[in-house]
Amino acid sequence: AQSVTQLDSQVPVFEEAPVELRCNYSSSVSVYLFWYVQYPNQGLQLLLKYLSGSTLVKGINGFEAEFNKSQTSFHLRKPSVHISDTAEYFCAVSTTDSWGKLQFGAGTQVVVTP
Amino acid sequence: DVKVTQSSRYLVKRTGEKVFLECVQDMDHENMFWYRQDPGLGLRLIYFSYDVKMKEKGDIPEGYSVSREKKERFSLILESASTNQTSMYLCASNPGLGQLSGELFFGEGSRLTVL
Repeated sequence: AQSVTQLDSQVPVFEEAPVELRCNYSSSVSVYLFWYVQYPNQGLQLLLKYLSGSTLVKGINGFEAEFNKSQTSFHLRKPSVHISDTAEYFCAVSTTDSWGKLQFGAGTQVVVTP
Repeated sequence: DVKVTQSSRYLVKRTGEKVFLECVQDMDHENMFWYRQDPGLGLRLIYFSYDVKMKEKGDIPEGYSVSREKKERFSLILESASTNQTSMYLCASNPGLGQLSGELFFGEGSRLTVL
């Protein structure tokens, strides 16, 4: 079975500053990794995903993430945040034998202030 | 664009009531899922379905059942609602086995309060 740990429950950040959200996973088989964003009172929207290939993945809204197999991590970064990036962010993992059965982390709340 | 529609955004029910949460997707997806979202716990899988009339338990199925009579519709049923089922419920779908992407497409959620 796989599991996901998001190391920060809340990350306060000033507008135009960089942000990094940390995600570690555990799995005995190959994984597929995802970051989702949830704006207030909405469902989840895919930010980016790693399936194979380049370990640096670029997503929507200027976000990127790097898959590090040796450290079993998939940290999300943005070089300069906007107020509109205030949201909750979820890291998720699935495996080659569990298509669509995503295991989610507990979430990281990002609060961007002027 | 894929659209997953949950019939009710907000519901208030009383303890012991039977509750139906409906979900419809319009992209002919094989797989459909019900997750529950609680603060500090993230999303937890309740039930999923790989095909019409097929269902499998997720991580927290107790107190819930599901129905999938048509490919596009997946219903979550609380036979006798309890206060500890107060939560946000999220429906999702994806194309199914053999598809490259494991991405899930989510509805906007149904916030259920049980009094």
